[in-house]
Amino acid sequence: GENVEQHPSTLSVQEGDSAVIKCTYSDSASNYFPWYKQELGKRPQLIIDIRSNVGEKKDQRIAVTLNKTAKHFSLHITETQPEDSAVYFCAATGSASKIIFGSGTRLSIRP
Amino acid sequence: GAVVSQHPSWVICKSGTSVKIECRSLDFQATTMFWYRQFPKQSLMLMATSNEGSKATYEQGVEKDKFLINHASLTLSTLTVTSAHPEDSSFYICSARDLTSRGDLYEQYFGPGTRLTVT
Repeated sequence: GENVEQHPSTLSVQEGDSAVIKCTYSDSASNYFPWYKQELGKRPQLIIDIRSNVGEKKDQRIAVTLNKTAKHFSLHITETQPEDSAVYFCAATGSASKIIFGSGTRLSIRP
Repeated sequence: GAVVSQHPSWVICKSGTSVKIECRSLDFQATTMFWYRQFPKQSLMLMATSNEGSKATYEQGVEKDKFLINHASLTLSTLTVTSAHPEDSSFYICSARDLTSRGDLYEQYFGPGTRLTVT
């Protein structure tokens, strides 16, 4: 079935360093890959997304890469700041355009 | 931007009772809405896809008779948890797509969630 795997489950980085979160997906028909940031008790917030016809996208300190052949996509956060601490989810479209979420990464930024 | 609301934001109910959660798209029409459940420290698990004017499509393992979904208008979907039990306690989140010409065909807009506690 449709599946999105995400790792690591937890990540702790020094403030100012970079953080990388990786995901793989199973459905070769997936064509939309959003990334969400979720703070405790809040709704998921879209931070960046990429479509299957693009290999890389950047928005200030955040970038996402997509390798369709390998079915891999990654989130890169540079110059991390304390406010980047949260849970991050990758996701991919499945059948009927529904979105399947990865298991999440709890990112902690050490001062 | 597209706004989705949910009501109530939190609810406490006794075991055996039913609870209705509303999901509304405030400034766009949503022919399709999605319902997710999120247990503490876990991911969002898709429960069902709600289609305006037709029956919902449930994910494998989700009991359709327990989680009743009604999408009677282009701006409102409801999820009713029937005969709730403590194990149904969770954070329920809906999302919707803006399928008009001005909307992004892929992006989903999430509601703020409803925290259900069954005692």
